[in-house]
Amino acid sequence: GDSVTQMEGPVTLSEEACLTINCTYTATGYPSLFWYVQYPGEGLQLLLKATKADDKGSNKGFEATYRKETTSFHLEKGSVQVSDSAVYFCALSDSRGVGGSYIPTFGRGTSLIVHP
Amino acid sequence: DAEITQSPRHKITETGRQVTLACHQTWNHNNMFWYRQDLGHGLRLIHYSYGVHDTNKGEVSDGYSVSRSNTEDLPLTLESAASSQTSVYFCASSDGAVLDTQYFGPGTRLTVL
Repeated sequence: GDSVTQMEGPVTLSEEACLTINCTYTATGYPSLFWYVQYPGEGLQLLLKATKADDKGSNKGFEATYRKETTSFHLEKGSVQVSDSAVYFCALSDSRGVGGSYIPTFGRGTSLIVHP
Repeated sequence: DAEITQSPRHKITETGRQVTLACHQTWNHNNMFWYRQDLGHGLRLIHYSYGVHDTNKGEVSDGYSVSRSNTEDLPLTLESAASSQTSVYFCASSDGAVLDTQYFGPGTRLTVL
């Protein structure tokens, strides 16, 4: 079945440092890929997404590129801020339910802590 | 603005009691999901629904039930609460379109004593 593997955290960085959170996946079909972010005490919210190979998703200074050849979707940011401290989830969607609906597959999440 | 809400936000109950967690969305989405989030396990799917009167079991459905009588609501019931069900519960919805972005509620923290 489908699966998502992301690096374990916590990842601890100083403000303005570069960030990379690795994410690799296995899927039987041709999935869409997502990064969700969960701020303390809140639900998950979509950060960015990509639907086909070589697509780059971007939002709030974060980027991730859909790499089909390496089955990866690594999250990157050039300069992190304290406000980026959160848990980041990589996810995929692969239409396999009734009428094309799907059940998403989430990674376990990576905690990011940014110090001033 | 459309939104997805959960109530209560915090709940303390005793072992053996029946508990119902509410989820209400105004996105008019067909798909609704319940997850639990625990340290070391990430998000685990409990139940999901593709539309009114449709319900399906997820990977950790034992001890939980749902019913879908309208588009907006998917209440989650713990038939007889157990300490192992202490967790944070998230409801989510999606419209079933190609990109299938999920929209999450703020969560309910449930403690079973």
